[in-house]
Amino acid sequence: EAGVVQSPRYKIIEKKQPVAFWCNPISGHNTLYWYLQNLGQGPELLIRYENEEAVDDSQLPKDRFSAERLKGVDSTLKIQPAELGDSAVYLCASSRGVEDPQFFGPGTRLTVL
Amino acid sequence: GENVEQHPSTLSVQEGDSAVIKCTYSDSASNYFPWYKQELGKRPQLIIDIRSNVGEKKDQRIAVTLNKTAKHFSLHITETQPEDSAVYFCAASPALFSGGYNKLIFGAGTRLAVHP
Repeated sequence: EAGVVQSPRYKIIEKKQPVAFWCNPISGHNTLYWYLQNLGQGPELLIRYENEEAVDDSQLPKDRFSAERLKGVDSTLKIQPAELGDSAVYLCASSRGVEDPQFFGPGTRLTVL
Repeated sequence: GENVEQHPSTLSVQEGDSAVIKCTYSDSASNYFPWYKQELGKRPQLIIDIRSNVGEKKDQRIAVTLNKTAKHFSLHITETQPEDSAVYFCAASPALFSGGYNKLIFGAGTRLAVHP
């Protein structure tokens, strides 16, 4: 089966600019996760979706970050405006259900100048 | 909340030797423990996982052991090969099968280098 797809793979922007990341989960996977991975660290959960509903967004900085998962399949994560400290890899993962293993996409490496 | 510590941060072995990476967790309710391998610039790849009703699980050259009393789990790689070189992350998930969900808390990672 095809894996989790993310785009773009790399993004360079100047601070205060907006940026968006896109994720297509594995077909049939109802649960979708967005993670932040800083250099040299493990991924940290930002938000989890069950179908189209965001059921855990407690770690999402809501002043500048937003996410959506229309129709319960693809998802986008947006940052507006971006700050220097947002430079990181943004990973998307999906699982068949809430108690199933998670499979990650290749991530989007964001550089904010 | 859950906290996962991982050791060592770097590990260097000769090809053919064994490698062991250890993790400890703080939340006794955690009951799912996956391991991910991440090569440079690539996605974290699930290589093995274990649930709390099992003490050991093996898949070819890799194995994971779990000690719930001590709250630690370990990854064992035998007969290491250069292609095993990567960063390995452990993770713990609290409250799985108890109304919770697979909320992974990751360790900081171990950079494994296998030298030919």
